[in-house]
Amino acid sequence: GAVVSQHPSWVICKSGTSVKIECRSLDFQATTMFWYRQFPKQSLMLMATSNEGSKATYEQGVEKDKFLINHASLTLSTLTVTSAHPEDSSFYICSAIGGGGPRGEQFFGPGTRLTVL
Amino acid sequence: QQQVKQSPQSLIVQKGGISIINCAYENTAFDYFPWYQQFPGKGPALLIAIRPDVSEKKEGRFTISFNKSAKQFSLHIMDSQPGDSATYFCAATTEYNFNKFYFGSGTKLNVKP
Repeated sequence: GAVVSQHPSWVICKSGTSVKIECRSLDFQATTMFWYRQFPKQSLMLMATSNEGSKATYEQGVEKDKFLINHASLTLSTLTVTSAHPEDSSFYICSAIGGGGPRGEQFFGPGTRLTVL
Repeated sequence: QQQVKQSPQSLIVQKGGISIINCAYENTAFDYFPWYQQFPGKGPALLIAIRPDVSEKKEGRFTISFNKSAKQFSLHIMDSQPGDSATYFCAATTEYNFNKFYFGSGTKLNVKP
């Protein structure tokens, strides 16, 4: 149980285009989902926290208009990278809280590798 | 300011040896300390976690040692195997703000056959 999926697992796009990444909790309702960004050989950087039905809370330094987050249901959150540029290339990981796990436990998705040409 | 400091950055251990990764934190309000294992190209997976009411937690070959007074916790991997080769992250969070996980910088473990 407590499985989180992401789609796509990798994407290559041209500079200036927008890319949508989906994060789904497959077998539980996720009250809260998180989006992280990870650069090679570095730790996870929290970008934003999203709660179902409300606006996402962005971390300092993360552009809200650049990284659009929508948490439309208890099982789905989406991250849209708008007008992507090469510097947006990164590994994006979502996680979710819920699933009856211990308080505070986050379940991570497998990640999405974004490459902007 | 880095809330959780992790060391070493990389670690090489012979098969069958003990791998030890250390983390230190500043915020005494932290009350949940998980360790995550991440393989290349994959998301992190929860390995083991501890709360400050105990000083040690063991699950199979993995043990967390927790020193509340020193604000330190460590991961011990006994009988390390090549399949344990991965990057390990410690993290910390609080009951009142469990939305916010503070991650260590990661340790790349290489277990040599």
